[in-house]
Amino acid sequence: EAGVTQFPSHSVIEKGQTVTLRCDPISGHDNLYWYRRVMGKEIKFLLHFVKESKQDESGMPNNRFLAERTGGTYSTLKVQPAELEDSGVYFCASSQAQGAYTEAFFGQGTRLTVV
Amino acid sequence: AQSVTQPDIHITVSEGASLELRCNYSYGATPYLFWYVQSPGQGLQLLLKYFSGDTLVQGIKGFEAEFKRSQSSFNLRKPSVHWSDAAEYFCAVVSNTGNQFYFGTGTSLTVIP
Repeated sequence: EAGVTQFPSHSVIEKGQTVTLRCDPISGHDNLYWYRRVMGKEIKFLLHFVKESKQDESGMPNNRFLAERTGGTYSTLKVQPAELEDSGVYFCASSQAQGAYTEAFFGQGTRLTVV
Repeated sequence: AQSVTQPDIHITVSEGASLELRCNYSYGATPYLFWYVQSPGQGLQLLLKYFSGDTLVQGIKGFEAEFKRSQSSFNLRKPSVHWSDAAEYFCAVVSNTGNQFYFGTGTSLTVIP
């Protein structure tokens, strides 16, 4: 069974450009999460989808970030326009159910560099 | 508010030596605690977790962790480190709803021959 897959693995863009990150969760997992790690800092929660609905987007830094999950399958995270401080590693995770007892499976991350 | 502190940014150990990675948490109630590992080019992999019960939990790859409420700690240990253990290790606590992890800043482990 395939794990959580993220595309691309690396992206280098110029300040002001747009970048779209994609996450394919494990098949059948209704819950999908986005996290971000800025260099040297902790991994921080961005948002949580249940199927196609945003359950919690309290961690989204500002309105330059837009996450979607059309059809409740894969998800995209768009940054428009990108700023230097958006550089970091973006992780996606999925789980079958909600709650602490349910294991979340993480992807390998997308390393975004804004220059 | 929930938070996790990993005081050691980087640790170097010799292969075969014992290892202890420190983790302290801040949480108002009984915490749900986790250790994840990220090897180069890989995603975060769950090593072990603590919910309740026995305070010494066993995980994969020979790792264990001990929950100490009095010290608000959940340190990760391994009696004998292998070169393949070189990776970055993250301690985390989960939110009240169980839908959000709070991670520490990570500890990078280097294993020397």
